[in-house]
Amino acid sequence: SQTIHQWPATLVQPVGSPLSLECTVEGTSNPNLYWYRQAAGRGLQLLFYSVGIGQISSEVPQNLSASRPQDRQFILSSKKLLLSDSGFYLCAWRGPAELFFGSGTQLSVL
Amino acid sequence: AQSVTQLGSHVSVSEGALVLLRCNYSSSVPPYLFWYVQYPNQGLQLLLKYTSAATLVKGINGFEAEFKKSETSFHLTKPSAHMSDAAEYFCAVSEFNGGFKTIFGAGTRLFVKA
Repeated sequence: SQTIHQWPATLVQPVGSPLSLECTVEGTSNPNLYWYRQAAGRGLQLLFYSVGIGQISSEVPQNLSASRPQDRQFILSSKKLLLSDSGFYLCAWRGPAELFFGSGTQLSVL
Repeated sequence: AQSVTQLGSHVSVSEGALVLLRCNYSSSVPPYLFWYVQYPNQGLQLLLKYTSAATLVKGINGFEAEFKKSETSFHLTKPSAHMSDAAEYFCAVSEFNGGFKTIFGAGTRLFVKA
């Protein structure tokens, strides 16, 4: 069966520091992968999605970037974090129709 | 481009009462529609999905939703609320546009009173 791993679960970073969040999927090949951000009390905002290795579509211009170095690995990065980057970050892969989500990373930028 | 509107950021019901969470969507092509539930500090879990088969869709935990094309709606219902239903609920629409993108509504927080 397919599983999705996302880490770390919680992260506290100072403003201006770099960021790297990793997501891996097991049990499937060539999945469509997604990064969403959920700000406190708000819905999910699609940040990036990828349909294959090295292919990234950006939905919102911002301080973040994404990469897909391997088929089942999706990385969210920033060179310098802003206060506004705080939020709950969710990785997901697409099944036959629906998305399957990781457990999320709570990022606090102080 | 697709979009989703959830009416009411907070809904409060008594235990045993009907749950009705409203969702309207916009899509340029026949969409896939979903309801997800999120418990605090967790990822989202699929409740049910519509993928152009039966318009009345049954999901987990006694929830169901009806796709009404003429009203562009996909409201979520449950006949009798349980305390364990208290959570955040998200309606979502998915369509293919160079890749499948799923867009979520702002969410509705459901409170269940004893």
